[in-house]
Amino acid sequence: AQSVTQPDIHITVSEGASLELRCNYSYGATPYLFWYVQSPGQGLQLLLKYFSGDTLVQGIKGFEAEFKRSQSSFNLRKPSVHWSDAAEYFCAVGADNDMRFGAGTRLTVKP
Amino acid sequence: DTGVSQDPRHKITKRGQNVTFRCDPISEHNRLYWYRQTLGQGPEFLTYFQNEAQLEKSRLLSDRFSAERPKGSFSTLEIQRTEQGDSAMYLCASSLERRVSYTFGSGTRLTVV
Repeated sequence: AQSVTQPDIHITVSEGASLELRCNYSYGATPYLFWYVQSPGQGLQLLLKYFSGDTLVQGIKGFEAEFKRSQSSFNLRKPSVHWSDAAEYFCAVGADNDMRFGAGTRLTVKP
Repeated sequence: DTGVSQDPRHKITKRGQNVTFRCDPISEHNRLYWYRQTLGQGPEFLTYFQNEAQLEKSRLLSDRFSAERPKGSFSTLEIQRTEQGDSAMYLCASSLERRVSYTFGSGTRLTVV
């Protein structure tokens, strides 16, 4: 069965610092991989997705993620965090008729 | 098109009451999904429709839960005899064709007191 693990429940970074959020997945084939962001009380917004091809994918708001098959990882990165990036981030793995989400990583941004 | 709409945004109900939520997907999307999200967790799949057909239901969807999409457009999720454990955010999403990327609504937050 496919599953997603986000090892970090909560991360705090200073504004302007770089960010990396970890995501590990378990899936029998090459999955579709996603990162979503959720602000308090809101739905989920898609940041980026990986289907195939180039393993470094660019998303909205300056985010990028790298698919590493050998490590079963799909980590999210941003070179310089802004205060407005404070939110909950979810990694998801999907295939036809099934999508699983990680438990999320809450990002706090210090001024 | 304004995206996926969910109504109401918040619902407080007494234990034992029935509640119904509505989701209006993006008009050209033929797939519609319901997820439940509890505090500190990621969304968990409940059920999905392709057009008006309900194709899959999670084991999380007890007999007290029922979902419909009568004309392949909007969908309703009803919870009968609500319990405190039903308190959660209920998210609706829609997509075209395969489950490759969804557009989520803002959710309905249910509080059972």
